[in-house]
Amino acid sequence: GENVEQHPSTLSVQEGDSAVIKCTYSDSASNYFPWYKQELGKRPQLIIDIRSNVGEKKDQRIAVTLNKTAKHFSLHITETQPEDSAVYFCAASRGGTASKLTFGTGTRLQVTL
Amino acid sequence: DGGITQSPKYLFRKEGQNVTLSCEQNLNHDAMYWYRQDPGQGLRLIYYSQIVNDFQKGDIAEGYSVSREKKESFPLTVTSAQKNPTAFYLCASIALAGGTDTQYFGPGTRLTVL
Repeated sequence: GENVEQHPSTLSVQEGDSAVIKCTYSDSASNYFPWYKQELGKRPQLIIDIRSNVGEKKDQRIAVTLNKTAKHFSLHITETQPEDSAVYFCAASRGGTASKLTFGTGTRLQVTL
Repeated sequence: DGGITQSPKYLFRKEGQNVTLSCEQNLNHDAMYWYRQDPGQGLRLIYYSQIVNDFQKGDIAEGYSVSREKKESFPLTVTSAQKNPTAFYLCASIALAGGTDTQYFGPGTRLTVL
């Protein structure tokens, strides 16, 4: 089955700096890679996703890059703000009718003033 | 997200008891999923169902059971066979038609064994 590794487990940045979280996956058939943000005690919320037919996707201060050859993908947050503080999860799936997501173990991002 | 509800928000169970967690969605989604979340371990798949009256085991199904008698409902029973049930349980759903793979999560149920 799929295995997703995520690094780092904790990340502290100063407000205004950039943050990068990296994930690797094992199943070469995976083609859908979402990123979720989870605040304390809340449900995970999808913030951005990418499919294997594109290498990069941006949405304002958030971007995701995908390297299918190396089987890794990354989340980039620019101009970080205190409200970006949360736990971020990457995930991978083959998509389609099964759509079983395999999650990474999460990165706790702390944005300090 | 607002179309998926879970109840109760908090649940306390004595050892040896079975408890059932509710998950309902009014999004007309086909597939529904149950995940367990423990600190530092991300989300792990317990069971999933793509169609009424059918469901498949996920990665950690032992000690759990589910049913899918209605499209909008996917209850999870935590049985006494689950050795360490204290965790945050999340339900999710997805519309299989339309080419989307986006899973939407419910608000979760925090289960504590006393």
